[in-house]
Amino acid sequence: AQSVTQLGSHVSVSEGALVLLRCNYSSSVPPYLFWYVQYPNQGLQLLLKYTSAATLVKGINGFEAEFKKSETSFHLTKPSAHMSDAAEYFCAVSSSGSARQLTFGSGTQLTVLP
Amino acid sequence: SQTIHQWPATLVQPVGSPLSLECTVEGTSNPNLYWYRQAAGRGLQLLFYSIGIDQISSEVPQNLSASRPQDRQFILSSKKLLLSDSGFYLCALTGGYNTEAFFGQGTRLTVV
Repeated sequence: AQSVTQLGSHVSVSEGALVLLRCNYSSSVPPYLFWYVQYPNQGLQLLLKYTSAATLVKGINGFEAEFKKSETSFHLTKPSAHMSDAAEYFCAVSSSGSARQLTFGSGTQLTVLP
Repeated sequence: SQTIHQWPATLVQPVGSPLSLECTVEGTSNPNLYWYRQAAGRGLQLLFYSIGIDQISSEVPQNLSASRPQDRQFILSSKKLLLSDSGFYLCALTGGYNTEAFFGQGTRLTVV
């Protein structure tokens, strides 16, 4: 079984401030981990993914995430928030060998304040 | 590259009416296909997934059904819509050498 917990359904940051969105997972096998972003009335777009290579993963739009096995975490960060980063962010976990591959967290709505 | 087409983009339907949402994919063969729903202010709920033609698994008992008549076509249906069926419906695929899912642009369904 696998699950994802995203701490904080709403996060607000000022423009230029650090963005930190938290994700903890559970998985009985080594996981694949993902962050997706969703803008209003659109589908989900992949930001970055961890697939057992480097533990620090860089994605699009300046985002990165670090896989920490000891903490079962995969937090998403960006050094300096931009107004265009305002969106909903989803963390997801996947294990291979299953048709139902992805389990999503409940999402975090990021607001960027001017 | 993989592409997912979903239509319509928005839909307003009366309670008790039927529903048919279509999802077609390009650029891949034998994909796993998924239907997700987002209710207002809530996360993604997996409704159905399919590993092949006519192979459908339901995750949540409900008023909806899914069919996969062709490898690259996935249809979400209902005989009689309920108010609680309102939401944002997303089609997704996994497959090939990629581990992540690709999503369509979604259909906003409002049942009135």
